[in-house]
Amino acid sequence: SQQGEEDPQALSIQEGENATMNCSYKTSINNLQWYRQNSGRGLVHLILIRSNEREKHSGRLRVTLDTSKKSSSLLITASRAADTASYFCATVNMNSGYSTLTFGKGTMLLVSP
Amino acid sequence: NAGVTQTPKFRVLKTGQSMTLLCAQDMNHEYMYWYRQDPGMGLRLIHYSVGEGTTAKGEVPDGYNVSRLKKQNFLLGLESAAPSQTSVYFCASRWTGLGQPQHFGDGTRLSIL
Repeated sequence: SQQGEEDPQALSIQEGENATMNCSYKTSINNLQWYRQNSGRGLVHLILIRSNEREKHSGRLRVTLDTSKKSSSLLITASRAADTASYFCATVNMNSGYSTLTFGKGTMLLVSP
Repeated sequence: NAGVTQTPKFRVLKTGQSMTLLCAQDMNHEYMYWYRQDPGMGLRLIHYSVGEGTTAKGEVPDGYNVSRLKKQNFLLGLESAAPSQTSVYFCASRWTGLGQPQHFGDGTRLSIL
């Protein structure tokens, strides 16, 4: 079963606006990762946040983690058309000895010029 | 460096045929993974390997076999293809260590008629 669930399923914004995507998960985690997938391509790692961290920044990306609510959010500021992609959260699967990730179903982001 | 390379990029099979998908990585990664991606389902783990000569089952292993005879290669086999195996298959690899990001290939698009 899927561990992470992203919300919304799809998001359409204009260039320059901020985009916020949310991820909820079910069990305790060690870390949570966000990935981007451009159409027809493989996933690319964006950022990782550990369970003892509450917020992390990387360029125009800001990730928050609330372990009490079992949720995370990814904020992309000042969006560009090139940010158009699907975004996935993934959690480390402790049942595999931390060897594997469980991915959510993703949020499709469309940024219009 | 090429990163993670998947061969072939596209394939059409008839029900009952067999084939092998090849994944090659040039980053000397210990861990390798095979996923399938279906519309609305996100990525689901088929099999994975934590080192040369080792393999383990993921979330959806039925109908697939894998081998990791060389550290840089991870092969996914379909012994008797079924229409339900029509999907996009992704390979990924990563370094050992908790929190290391996965690096993905660009996928193999497989249709079973």
